[in-house]
Amino acid sequence: DVKVTQSSRYLVKRTGEKVFLECVQDMDHENMFWYRQDPGLGLRLIYFSYDVKMKEKGDIPEGYSVSREKKERFSLILESASTNQTSMYLCASRDASGRARSQETQYFGPGTRLLVL
Amino acid sequence: GESVGLHLPTLSVQEGDNSIINCAYSNSASDYFIWYKQESGKGPQFIIDIRSNMDKRQGQRVTVLLNKTVKHLSLQIAATQPGDSAVYFCAEIYTGGFKTIFGAGTRLFVKA
Repeated sequence: DVKVTQSSRYLVKRTGEKVFLECVQDMDHENMFWYRQDPGLGLRLIYFSYDVKMKEKGDIPEGYSVSREKKERFSLILESASTNQTSMYLCASRDASGRARSQETQYFGPGTRLLVL
Repeated sequence: GESVGLHLPTLSVQEGDNSIINCAYSNSASDYFIWYKQESGKGPQFIIDIRSNMDKRQGQRVTVLLNKTVKHLSLQIAATQPGDSAVYFCAEIYTGGFKTIFGAGTRLFVKA
């Protein structure tokens, strides 16, 4: 079974703080993703990474950055947290090797609920 | 169905009844579709998928139907159980590209 873990389930931060959200997957997946999920808006892609050291902006990258120094780990950074970044953050990974039957399936972590005061 | 504004559509069913959850997808080039289930406080979990060369696929108690003519996807859950209570959302993928588009979801509430 694919396992995607996120460093925190709940976080409370103050406006202006730098926030790190960590995601680790144990299946040697090439692709990793960060989404935020807000009521009624579905999943919105913040950043994704094809492979180690690679990153691409998603639909809403403003106010965020990412780091992928190792294949299994994808970090989301809020440089200066703001109240409009209060949200549920979901990390996902995907096997791009061609081995998987359902190659397009993304496997999600449990999420980090971030509250910015 | 898909959400409108900030409110998730809600489907309420009696335990033991069948549930049908609908999804309208947007890209006629999408050729792969996934249904996810998200329980409260958890990340989305894969339920079932279907490729565009099929119009029906069955799993354990779940069936996905695809109608490409009207760009419509449905998830049928047989003999719905309290453990099926969750938010369900569809995902559409064009496998020639990279992006997955997720629907906003439908909340299923199962009454015991």
